[in-house]
Amino acid sequence: GAGVSQSPSNKVTEKGKDVELRCDPISGHTALYWYRQSLGQGLEFLIYFQGNSAPDKSGLPSDRFSAERTGGSVSTLTIQRTQQEDSAVYLCASSQILRAGWRETQYFGPGTRLLVL
Amino acid sequence: DAKTTQPTSMDCAEGRAANLPCNHSTISGNEYVYWYRQIHSQGPQYIIHGLKNNETNEMASLIITEDRKSSTLILPHATLRDTAVYYCIVLFKAAGNKLTFGGGTRVLVKP
Repeated sequence: GAGVSQSPSNKVTEKGKDVELRCDPISGHTALYWYRQSLGQGLEFLIYFQGNSAPDKSGLPSDRFSAERTGGSVSTLTIQRTQQEDSAVYLCASSQILRAGWRETQYFGPGTRLLVL
Repeated sequence: DAKTTQPTSMDCAEGRAANLPCNHSTISGNEYVYWYRQIHSQGPQYIIHGLKNNETNEMASLIITEDRKSSTLILPHATLRDTAVYYCIVLFKAAGNKLTFGGGTRVLVKP
């Protein structure tokens, strides 16, 4: 594909509802990353996928957050029972892995703006 | 990953070159220098990266000092669309490495 795409671009939800955010990485990119960025803040790492497995979930802030990746392509980040502090921009990035353990540049999608009322 | 230091902000005149400095004095031999930028309300955009040689692509040039303790990103002919926060990062190319953005340099291109 031309680039990383994410949907929806904006999501407004009520506190306590569940939301699903989708990421379509660049075709052929084995590695996929989820980050979030609160207003005026830096990047906060959430989870890293290599293929369909997630060797690093250390950034998920609570058990309300989960993510999966199927077919080595599309990934979904799910937030259950959303809270107001979950409001942020959720960013997805992907990269190639050229040889064992080494990856190339991360390319980002446009992000999903989540607002929890 | 090595820490970087960048000026908080800088202004640049449209059509002129913008030179963005970055200090990374604790960089190790296998760490690359990456530059990203983030235009308001958009996702981060990759610009360029290098290890020790100077690099150039369609967006910018990257000049890395011989001792690798600092680098400069050059936007050769800044346009208003180059107004953004620019982030200099150093990291290993290991799979799974997370990106961490510091404060970056807020660049304002003025007409």
